[in-house]
Amino acid sequence: ILNVEQSPQSLNVQEGDSTNFTCSFPSSNFYALHWYRWETAKSPEALFVMTLNGDEKKKGRISATLNTKEGYSYLYIKGSQPEDSATYLCALSRGSTLGRLYFGRGTQLTVWP
Amino acid sequence: SQTIHQWPVTLVQPVGSPLSLECTVEGTSNPNLYWYRQAAGRGLQLLFYSVGIGQISSEVPQNLSASRPQDRQFILSSKKLLLSDSGFYLCAWSVGAGGSYEQYFGPGTRLTVT
Repeated sequence: ILNVEQSPQSLNVQEGDSTNFTCSFPSSNFYALHWYRWETAKSPEALFVMTLNGDEKKKGRISATLNTKEGYSYLYIKGSQPEDSATYLCALSRGSTLGRLYFGRGTQLTVWP
Repeated sequence: SQTIHQWPVTLVQPVGSPLSLECTVEGTSNPNLYWYRQAAGRGLQLLFYSVGIGQISSEVPQNLSASRPQDRQFILSSKKLLLSDSGFYLCAWSVGAGGSYEQYFGPGTRLTVT
């Protein structure tokens, strides 16, 4: 069993606050790290796929960084909005084996107006 | 554009009854297909994946099975459901087999076994 840990489990912030979450994973045999956003009653939606140590990706107010040597990735949301409320999942791919992803349990973000 | 369909959306089944969940993908050919489950309080767990018709790999031994009778159709089945089979089932597809390819998820099926 491969452990992908996400923290915190849940987070409540006020509109306008910036926030960040952590995804920790075993660094051996790393291939790719995925971030997904999962809104209630919708399908998980891919945010980022990162493969290189030091990678930084950005989409609007959301950005992510990757450290493959120490086995962690951070997801940042700048100026949170109520529509950012969702569960954010990270998933690890080890080797190139057929797209097999190991998911963390997610961080549930609630942004209050 | 590609779309992925799953049905039913919700399902309530008694223990010991059979199960059939269906997933179809439109707008792409030879996709890699996946079945995931999220049980209460747990993360998404890969159950099965398929790289082609009739090719199924199982990740977790259990009383579930999967089949891929057509290129863009993936079916999850059980002959006799257990209480522990309750959860949220997601089908996903990807265009490539490598670990850096994004996976695209369907709307999911909420299964409650009573």
